[in-house]
Amino acid sequence: NAGVMQNPRHLVRRRGQEARLRCSPMKGHSHVYWYRQLPEEGLKFMVYLQKENIIDESGMPKERFSAEFPKEGPSILRIQQVVRGDSAAYFCASSLTGGHNQPQHFGDGTRLSIL
Amino acid sequence: KQEVTQIPAALSVPEGENLVLNCSFTDSAIYNLQWFRQDPGKGLTSLLLIQSSQREQTSGRLNASLDKSSGRSTLYIAASQPGDSATYLCAAPGSGAGSYQLTFGKGTKLSVIP
Repeated sequence: NAGVMQNPRHLVRRRGQEARLRCSPMKGHSHVYWYRQLPEEGLKFMVYLQKENIIDESGMPKERFSAEFPKEGPSILRIQQVVRGDSAAYFCASSLTGGHNQPQHFGDGTRLSIL
Repeated sequence: KQEVTQIPAALSVPEGENLVLNCSFTDSAIYNLQWFRQDPGKGLTSLLLIQSSQREQTSGRLNASLDKSSGRSTLYIAASQPGDSATYLCAAPGSGAGSYQLTFGKGTKLSVIP
């Protein structure tokens, strides 16, 4: 299956711990986007990355959140010192190019629960 | 800033009925609009992508239309089936430099009753 792969599918953390969410884009795709879906809310854009570069992180909280997309390996969304309000579904999408006519293909998401 | 609204929030129909889901957006300078399907606990499945130069796009029993001037899109589902039960999301990109940022509506939760 050459789709967008996210892992883990479910992640449980206690308050104050770190959460690491991984995303492998579709084969051949070098553009990755992260979105967050809070309960009863629509998906919200967080960050857009190309290989080794953060293009736009305007939707990401300024503190505790970081993202990377290294030359080798998956994109990582990292949340430090998690709080209850971080509980959400985090979705990754990828596209072939960054062009505005390129559809974004989504993974199945990581459901993060904070105890 | 793009804002997307979907109505109704929930819809229940008997099997076999045709139905229309509505989506409105505030920034009409969009390049395209996408409709997705989301099943409980699952990711998003892209259904249709309509380019700004198109007025509609069809895939099987699904037909999506786009009217940029009025800031509206509709998703028409013909001869609905219980397997169509899911949440349907509309997503519009921003304009200009932020055109890669998809703004999603909260979705319409569809239940098709056998």
